[in-house]
Amino acid sequence: SQQGEEDPQALSIQEGENATMNCSYKTSINNLQWYRQNSGRGLVHLILIRSNEREKHSGRLRVTLDTSKKSSSLLITASRAADTASYFCATEEGNTGKLIFGQGTTLQVKP
Amino acid sequence: DTAVSQTPKYLVTQMGNDKSIKCEQNLGHDTMYWYKQDSKKFLKIMFSYNNKELIINETVPNRFSPKSPDKAHLNLHINSLELGDSAVYFCASSHGQQNIQYFGAGTRLSVL
Repeated sequence: SQQGEEDPQALSIQEGENATMNCSYKTSINNLQWYRQNSGRGLVHLILIRSNEREKHSGRLRVTLDTSKKSSSLLITASRAADTASYFCATEEGNTGKLIFGQGTTLQVKP
Repeated sequence: DTAVSQTPKYLVTQMGNDKSIKCEQNLGHDTMYWYKQDSKKFLKIMFSYNNKELIINETVPNRFSPKSPDKAHLNLHINSLELGDSAVYFCASSHGQQNIQYFGAGTRLSVL
């Protein structure tokens, strides 16, 4: 079964607003990653949060992790049209090296 | 000087044909992957190689055969292509325990 599931599937906001995407997973993890995929491109790593961390920031990105609820959220503040993309969470299945990706949230930021 | 490059970017072919997709990374990473992304953007791992050795082999039809001539290259050969093979195939590489992956731009395969 799929490790990561994301919510919402699609999100449309105005430039300048904040965007929040959520990810749930099923088994214990060492870390959780978020990736961005622009249309027609490959995935790009955004941020990694370890299982012993609760929150992490990188520029306009803020990631939280709640291991008791097996969930994570990605917040993009002051969104820009260039943030329009799909966003995926990913966790590793055990210590297999195998990343399991969620189905992604498609974010549209309107100028 | 693209970090992970895969060719071709687009591949349109008839059912039953055999085709190959090539991938090269210049990041010095030890591990390379092939993923398949379907029309709903669901991304699923197919294979992984570490230093030319196969370490992950998901439930993939044996018409798909990866080959790693060296740790910088991982090619994917597909025999007897079927309509359901139409998808975007991504190559990726990683290094170290954190398993942060670097993706190629993808190959969009259309089987007619």
